[in-house]
Amino acid sequence: EVQLVQSGAEVKKPGESLKISCEASGYKFTTYWIGWVRQMPGKGLEWMGIIYPGDSDTTYSPSFQGQVTISVDRSISTAYLHWSSLKASDTAMYYCARQRDSGYDWDYWGQGTLVTVSS
Amino acid sequence: DILMTQTPSSLSASVGDRVTITCRASQSIGDYVNWYQQRPDRAPTLLVFGSTRLQNGVPSRFRGSGSGQYFSLTIDTLQPEDFGTYYCQHSYSIPFTFGPGTKVDLK
Repeated sequence: EVQLVQSGAEVKKPGESLKISCEASGYKFTTYWIGWVRQMPGKGLEWMGIIYPGDSDTTYSPSFQGQVTISVDRSISTAYLHWSSLKASDTAMYYCARQRDSGYDWDYWGQGTLVTVSS
Repeated sequence: DILMTQTPSSLSASVGDRVTITCRASQSIGDYVNWYQQRPDRAPTLLVFGSTRLQNGVPSRFRGSGSGQYFSLTIDTLQPEDFGTYYCQHSYSIPFTFGPGTKVDLK
């Protein structure tokens, strides 16, 4: 059974760094892209970027380029989303999802990680 | 970036109703449209991919159609578990942006 399990909720202060995770199981991790989506409180879904675990090829939305870093650790089938310096405006729910090659749709999703940034 | 717009932004419907949500892309995108359902406080789930293809396990009352710039998602005979927010997404060129969502609630 395919599963994406994300790390737990985080409460951070502005300026702090953070890395959240998305652990995949039930399929060959290196052969499907993994993507990240932001959902700010009460708002819609924003496509942030994707990574191919096979070779770490990464593409970001222009809106998120330079704001976050997406990475993987193939040895533990885990993808990461990293901030070096959080802002209050990063407060949101973040989802990871698996992207299929055929139509680039996202067929399996993680349960979400709530990130709260507040002084 | 390709802009996706959805109409309506919200609607109220009753169990048993037929509901149609439309999505327009800012340029022609073939059939590279996907639809997702998000129930309150839950992760999104894939309903339809490639404009018309039903994801495994999704009830047949969900139907996707369209190509080019205009797409729609129809729910025949709305069920209680269908209330939530629906998003279209294009997967034509990166970034694969989502529409703003259509909230379906109980009349």
